[in-house]
Amino acid sequence: AQSVTQLGSHVSVSEGALVLLRCNYSSSVPPYLFWYVQYPNQGLQLLLKYTTGATLVKGINGFEAEFKKSETSFHLTKPSAHMSDAAEYFCAVIAHGNNRLAFGKGNQVVVIP
Amino acid sequence: EAGVVQSPRYKIIEKKQPVAFWCNPISGHNTLYWYLQNLGQGPELLIRYENEEAVDDSQLPKDRFSAERLKGVDSTLKIQPAELGDSAVYLCASSPGGASTDTQYFGPGTRLTVL
Repeated sequence: AQSVTQLGSHVSVSEGALVLLRCNYSSSVPPYLFWYVQYPNQGLQLLLKYTTGATLVKGINGFEAEFKKSETSFHLTKPSAHMSDAAEYFCAVIAHGNNRLAFGKGNQVVVIP
Repeated sequence: EAGVVQSPRYKIIEKKQPVAFWCNPISGHNTLYWYLQNLGQGPELLIRYENEEAVDDSQLPKDRFSAERLKGVDSTLKIQPAELGDSAVYLCASSPGGASTDTQYFGPGTRLTVL
């Protein structure tokens, strides 16, 4: 079964500073990889996904993530945090030929003015 | 384009009572998912429909949970009887098809509190 590890349930970042959220997966075959964001009282929204091709993936709101097979990682970054980035972020994976999204526990991001 | 619609948004019931959640997916989306999200956790799949057929219900606790998707559009998830441990957020999602690479679009969820 696929599993996803996101360390640090709460992440504090200063406005204007780098946002870095780490995601590692466990799988012998690289899965498809996703980052979702959840704003308060809203549904999960796709930030970006990696399926094939270029390993650096750009998403919405200035976020990007890089798939590193050797490290089994798909870390999410944004160069400069904005107050509107305060939300919960989930990394998720799907194995090839499967349709079941396996989510990590999430990171609650707090942006400090 | 309207997103995934869920109702009610909040529900408070006493244990042993029945409860039902409703989901209307994005128009044209053939695949519908129900997820359970416990506090401080990521969502976990309960059931997946391709049109009106439940193709993955292995995670659905069938002793008390049931779901249906009549006519392959709207779906209802039911719990009977509810237990204290069922307090959680129930999310509905839909995708155009059943491909692994398809983006799943999520509704706002129904927050259930069982007293």
